[in-house]
Amino acid sequence: KAGVTQTPRYLIKTRGQQVTLSCSPISGHRSVSWYQQTPGQGLQFLFEYFSETQRNKGNFPGRFSGRQFSNSRSEMNVSTLELGDSALYLCASSLGRQVGNTEAFFGQGTRLTVV
Amino acid sequence: EDQVTQSPEALRLQEGESSSLNCSYTVSGLRGLFWYRQDPGKGPEFLFTLYSAGEEKEKERLKATLTKKESFLHITAPKPEDSATYLCAVQARGYSTLTFGKGTMLLVSP
Repeated sequence: KAGVTQTPRYLIKTRGQQVTLSCSPISGHRSVSWYQQTPGQGLQFLFEYFSETQRNKGNFPGRFSGRQFSNSRSEMNVSTLELGDSALYLCASSLGRQVGNTEAFFGQGTRLTVV
Repeated sequence: EDQVTQSPEALRLQEGESSSLNCSYTVSGLRGLFWYRQDPGKGPEFLFTLYSAGEEKEKERLKATLTKKESFLHITAPKPEDSATYLCAVQARGYSTLTFGKGTMLLVSP
């Protein structure tokens, strides 16, 4: 059974640019969550999508957005990149039939470096 | 606000030297407490879910326990391949969000 797939694995962008990251969840999983991981703050929740709807949102500025498609694949977008956006972005998928009902499985992450 | 505190921040053990990692939490109604293992440059790997005080789960050399205020991850006779960062997270009832601690970096020397 294939795991959570995130693409690309590595990205280098310049301040002010925008970036789109992609996540394909485990087959049959309908919930996708995004987290930002930095050495100082650890893992912080960005947002969660379930059946193409945003179900929860973390405390991040509006430059961070996401969406989910009918096949449960998800993308997150960061506009007007800042140096502080450099981080490992992690996607997690779960069955999500009920809120908070199942374990979350993570992808390998996308390492974003903003220069 | 849900909070998770892990200690110690870093732990160095000799191969075969057993020890425990601590995860203290405050949450408005615990749905589940999760342990993950993370290797450098990789995503967290799911280890255990604990749902209620008194519950215990085991996997190879790892055993996780849960009380109303904290969880322990006991590592028995560790091997160098157990070296990783161990993350603890809580999930409140009615929510999907995981609140993570900052992790314990474990190094096991041969």
